[in-house]
Amino acid sequence: AQKVTQAQTEISVVEKEDVTLDCVYETRDTTYYLFWYKQPPSGELVFLIRRNSFDEQNEISGRYSWNFQKSTSSFNFTITASQVVDSAVYFCALSSQGAQKLVFGQGTRLTINP
Amino acid sequence: DAMVIQNPRYQVTQFGKPVTLSCSQTLNHNVMYWYQQKSSQAPKLLFHYYDKDFNNEADTPDNFQSRRPNTSFCFLDIRSPGLGDAAMYLCATREGIRSTEAFFGQGTRLTVV
Repeated sequence: AQKVTQAQTEISVVEKEDVTLDCVYETRDTTYYLFWYKQPPSGELVFLIRRNSFDEQNEISGRYSWNFQKSTSSFNFTITASQVVDSAVYFCALSSQGAQKLVFGQGTRLTINP
Repeated sequence: DAMVIQNPRYQVTQFGKPVTLSCSQTLNHNVMYWYQQKSSQAPKLLFHYYDKDFNNEADTPDNFQSRRPNTSFCFLDIRSPGLGDAAMYLCATREGIRSTEAFFGQGTRLTVV
């Protein structure tokens, strides 16, 4: 069975602080894909990143960075110098190769206060 | 330009009155999904199509049906909406072969009165 756990239900920080959103996953598959999505108040799920299980390189995109560690089954997401526009619900998701399903975590509601 | 379009954005329906939500895509993706998302919860997969093959989740109520007349369009039919079916309904597409990311529409927020 596949499972994604986002233990942090809500996080609130002051603008310009760095914040890390945790994601822990479970799967028996050797090849799988991990994703992060952002859901602003408008409701649409916006794709942020995909990571393959065989590529443990960390990635940085502007103020966003992702830390993938297979040894701990974690795929954490860090926002540096947070901004009010980063306020949203963030979902981590998992999919196995060839599988059609995306399994979502429960989401973390991030609030950036001015 | 939007690639996955859901109509309407907001739908109000009466208890027990059939309602249809629509989704269209311009990506020519094989896979189309319908998710239900209730307040402060993760999206819950209802069913998906791989081309014309329909895949129903085991815990999706019979009250929910779907149609995919062609690659571009997919419909969610709720035969007899109950108060518990009020939610955001999200449509998504995916290329299907290479396990790429899924693209989501803006969702339809359904209210049952």
